[in-house]
Amino acid sequence: AQSVTQLGSHVSVSEGALVLLRCNYSSSVPPYLFWYVQYPNQGLQLLLKYTSAATLVKGINGFEAEFKKSETSFHLTKPSAHMSDAAEYFCAVTNTGNQFYFGTGTSLTVIP
Amino acid sequence: EPEVTQTPSHQVTQMGQEVILRCVPISNHLYFYWYRQILGQKVEFLVSFYNNEISEKSEIFDDQFSVERPDGSNFTLKIRSTKLEDSAMYFCASLTSYGNEQFFGPGTRLTVL
Repeated sequence: AQSVTQLGSHVSVSEGALVLLRCNYSSSVPPYLFWYVQYPNQGLQLLLKYTSAATLVKGINGFEAEFKKSETSFHLTKPSAHMSDAAEYFCAVTNTGNQFYFGTGTSLTVIP
Repeated sequence: EPEVTQTPSHQVTQMGQEVILRCVPISNHLYFYWYRQILGQKVEFLVSFYNNEISEKSEIFDDQFSVERPDGSNFTLKIRSTKLEDSAMYFCASLTSYGNEQFFGPGTRLTVL
């Protein structure tokens, strides 16, 4: 069985501050992990993905995530938040690419 | 860049009515999916479809739901008799035969009155 837990349904950061969004996964086999972003009234856009290559994955808009097997984590970070980063962020896991399991999402607010 | 498209973007219907949500997956993709997201909640898997049949479905996907690939391009989700609790954003996604990244459409917001 696979699942994803996102700690913190709401995160607020100041513009220019570090963004850290947490994701822990549960999977009985090596997982593929994804971060998606959803802007208001829009669909899901892929930010980055881990597919068993490099453990530090760089994505779009300056985001990156590190796969840590020992901690079963795949936290999303960005060194400096921008106002345009305000959105809902979803972590997802799959082991086959077939069924994705999404976390409950983290709403990121960026304070000017 | 190829993308998944969905129509309509917003559908309003009366309880008990049938609705069909349409999706056009990326043309060389072979696996197709429907997810839903109730307002304020997480994205939930409904069904996956491959080789003209359902390969996996969740508990949510009961007898009121059906999927079809009526031609070479469209992938539809039908809800036979809508309930208030079917109000949600419905996302279509598709996948190649060799990849592991699902590409999502922009969603259809279904409102059941």
